Amino acid sequence: ILNVEQSPQSLHVQEGDSTNFTCSFPSSNFYALHWYRWETAKSPEALFVMTLNGDEKKKGRISATLNTKEGYSYLYIKGSQPEDSATYLCAFPVNNAGNMLTFGGGTRLMVKP
Amino acid sequence: KAGVTQTPRYLIKTRGQQVTLSCSPISGHRSVSWYQQTPGQGLQFLFEYFSETQRNKGNFPGRFSGRQFSNSRSEMNVSTLELGDSALYLCASSQDGRSGNTIYFGEGSWLTVV
Repeated sequence: ILNVEQSPQSLHVQEGDSTNFTCSFPSSNFYALHWYRWETAKSPEALFVMTLNGDEKKKGRISATLNTKEGYSYLYIKGSQPEDSATYLCAFPVNNAGNMLTFGGGTRLMVKP
Repeated sequence: KAGVTQTPRYLIKTRGQQVTLSCSPISGHRSVSWYQQTPGQGLQFLFEYFSETQRNKGNFPGRFSGRQFSNSRSEMNVSTLELGDSALYLCASSQDGRSGNTIYFGEGSWLTVV
């Protein structure tokens, strides 16, 4: 059983604050690392798929980095807005042949106006 | 381009009954996978189908089954429902299921077992 851990479990920030959270995963047999944003009553939204050590990806105010050797990825949100309030999930494929993802427990972000 | 579509969105069943949930993947996607979300367990992988064949299977009892049709649409079935099967069931699709593919999720089917 793969262990994917996310921290913190929840985070309250003020509008305009920048924030970051962590996803830790097994550093052996790395295939990819997925980040999702999941708002209540909606489908999980794919943010990034990261495959290479040292990868940095950016989408608007959100960016992510990847360190496969030490087994972690950071997600950064610059200038948080209330609409960024959601649960952010990372997921790790169990193998290279399929969509069998192991998910972390998520970081619940609440941005106060 | 239409996203992943799941039906029904909400349903209530009685313990002991069976239920079938349906998933239409994004056009052109051949891999379909299913996940269960419960408050205590988070998102858990059920199974994945590719070209009508089950390719991966999670750690769930045999009451949980699925299939995929030639048009890539998928169904999952839960027989002899238990109260603990109450959950959100999510379907996801990707082009061919390789680990670097983006995986797109539907909005889910909320199942309540009473």
